[in-house]
Amino acid sequence: DIQMTQSPSSVSASVGDRVTITCRASQGISSWLAWYQQKPGKAPKLLIYAASSLQSGVPSRFSGSGSGTDFTLTINSLQPEDFATYYCQQGNSFPLTFGGGTRVEIK
Amino acid sequence: EVQLVESGGGLVQPGGSLRLSCAASGFTFSSQWMHWVRQAPGEGLVWVSRINSDGSSTSYADSVKGRFTISRDNAENTLYLQMNSLRDEDTAVYYCTRDKPGNYYYIDVWGKGTTVTVSS
Repeated sequence: DIQMTQSPSSVSASVGDRVTITCRASQGISSWLAWYQQKPGKAPKLLIYAASSLQSGVPSRFSGSGSGTDFTLTINSLQPEDFATYYCQQGNSFPLTFGGGTRVEIK
Repeated sequence: EVQLVESGGGLVQPGGSLRLSCAASGFTFSSQWMHWVRQAPGEGLVWVSRINSDGSSTSYADSVKGRFTISRDNAENTLYLQMNSLRDEDTAVYYCTRDKPGNYYYIDVWGKGTTVTVSS
């Protein structure tokens, strides 16, 4: 199975900050990577797929990059509604696996 | 509106069984792969199982293989998860989800989830 490791596990930031979250795969997955946002008590929401493609309806302040084993989610100009937990997920092979999550908290 | 609505969760004793259902609407259900994903209390997301569009092919996480069975009824636009020999560690919110059209192995639609509690 492909292991997905996210860092940091949590980050404190202020409105307007740029936040960067990293995801590393235990083996190369090309660009088969997605990012999700989850708010407490809610289902996750797809933000980015294929490492850098923005899902329809997602604000352009979210962006993704990377390929192979190292990937990044960047949130530019953090907004109040962006405080949530973010997960990466590899879509290269089954079983699909998720990272452990990164909680973005208000500083 | 694309929608997935889960039902069938509840409290069950260890060793018991439960069948989850997921009613799909707003899209051509019979054309899409589907997945179940679960989340234990305070924990992260874990993929459980997937089924292809016509139900002829399935995959499972090792933790549920041999105990859970995914199936679908395309005439009724419904996805199922039969869970047998339940264990304490199966306690979680179970999400019915849709594979992003194009067979990307990403999940673009999530239900609100149904809670399964395994406890004596």
